Parts: sequence; structure tokens; C-alpha cells
Amino acid sequence: QVQLVESGGGLVKPGGSLRLSCAASGFTFTNYYMSWIRQAPGKGLEWVSHISNRGSTTYYAESMQGRFTISRDNAKNSVYLQMNSLRAEDTAVYYCVRLVGANAQLDYWGQGTLVTVSS
Amino acid sequence: SYELTQPPSVSVSPGQTASITCSGDKLGDKYACWYQQRPGQSPLLVIYQDKKRPSGIPERFSGSNSANTATLTISGTQAMDEADYFCQAWDSGTVVFGGGTKLTVL
Repeated sequence: QVQLVESGGGLVKPGGSLRLSCAASGFTFTNYYMSWIRQAPGKGLEWVSHISNRGSTTYYAESMQGRFTISRDNAKNSVYLQMNSLRAEDTAVYYCVRLVGANAQLDYWGQGTLVTVSS
Repeated sequence: SYELTQPPSVSVSPGQTASITCSGDKLGDKYACWYQQRPGQSPLLVIYQDKKRPSGIPERFSGSNSANTATLTISGTQAMDEADYFCQAWDSGTVVFGGGTKLTVL
């Protein structure tokens, strides 16, 4: 069965950095785009970024452009999110999500990892 | 930037039909998806490509999309359907979510 397991969340000070990881299993990783979606406490869903199946193409939400970097290691069935210059408003649960393809549905979600940006 | 608008809340009696709308400019020209999120859980895809149900999603969940509005319909609503529902579409290579609708079954 499809499993997506995030790790790397935690408490970080404003201006700090954090790297999230997502380990995927139960499917052919190289056939799928992968995405990060976040949800601030008590708020809705916000798309962060996604990456093509080979890692050649990446997309970012405007507010994350230049601060966040998505990458993947197909040999390790893993996707990552490097987050720099973190702000209080980046506090959220970050979900790793499988994307069937460009302009397609987000069909499997991980359990999420909480990132808290606070001094 | 593209926006999707949902009503903040919808209430329905058990066994009745619940309809949740999602509005966006020419949304009918795009595919709409719907996600269910129960308290404390991750979102779950319940409708994709406007009206298709993933494996394991009950038949009481259905979708439609036309003109500027996509609609998620839950027939014979059950207590377990009480959750937040989010619509989603793509615009210019980016993922857009609606603000979410809290469905209360009472």
C-alpha cells in the first residue's frame, strides 16, 4: 500500500532553516510527481511546491519562491523540502503528497509534520 | 491569482443530501477535485476530474462542474461524513485550494 512518511519538523527560530524529508513506499516512485502542501493551525490547505517525476521541473507558490527548495532522490524514494528564512507565518503542518501528474489529482497524503517558527 | 470560493459551513440532517459548492472564474473549463478532512486526520481525495471517485470512496459521494461552479454532493449523509471539505483546481501550473467548508451532520 502507498505510504508517505514525513520527518524533520520541529521548532525553529525566525530566520532559521529546516529540511523536511518524505519517505515513499508501496508504489513506483519514478512514475509520480510529488508535492508539499501545508496547513496552518485551524486554517485551510495551501500548496507549497511540486516536482516532476524525474526532478527536472519544480514549481513554487509565490510566497515560498526563493526561500524554499524542493528536491527528490529517486534512488532513495524520497522527496525533500529545504526551508530557509523561515517566518512565523510558515508555522503549519506540512504534508507530503503524491501527485498523479501535472494538472492532476493529489491522491495520497502523508500524516504530516509540524513546523513551528517562533522565538 | 486564481481564487476558489466555498461557503464556510453547510449543515445537513442524517440521511439527507448535502451539497457543497466551489466557485471560480470559468472553473468548468478546468478539472475540480474534492478532499475530505476529518478532525485530526490528513486530507483524503474523494472526487477527482470533476466526478470520478477513487477506489474505496462510497457511491454516495458525487461531483459535477459547469460554468463557474463545481459541486460536491453527498447523498444519504451519514454522521461519519462530518468533516471539512476542500475543493481544488489547477491554474497556470499551480495548485489552488478553496477555503474549505465545514460540513455538520445534525
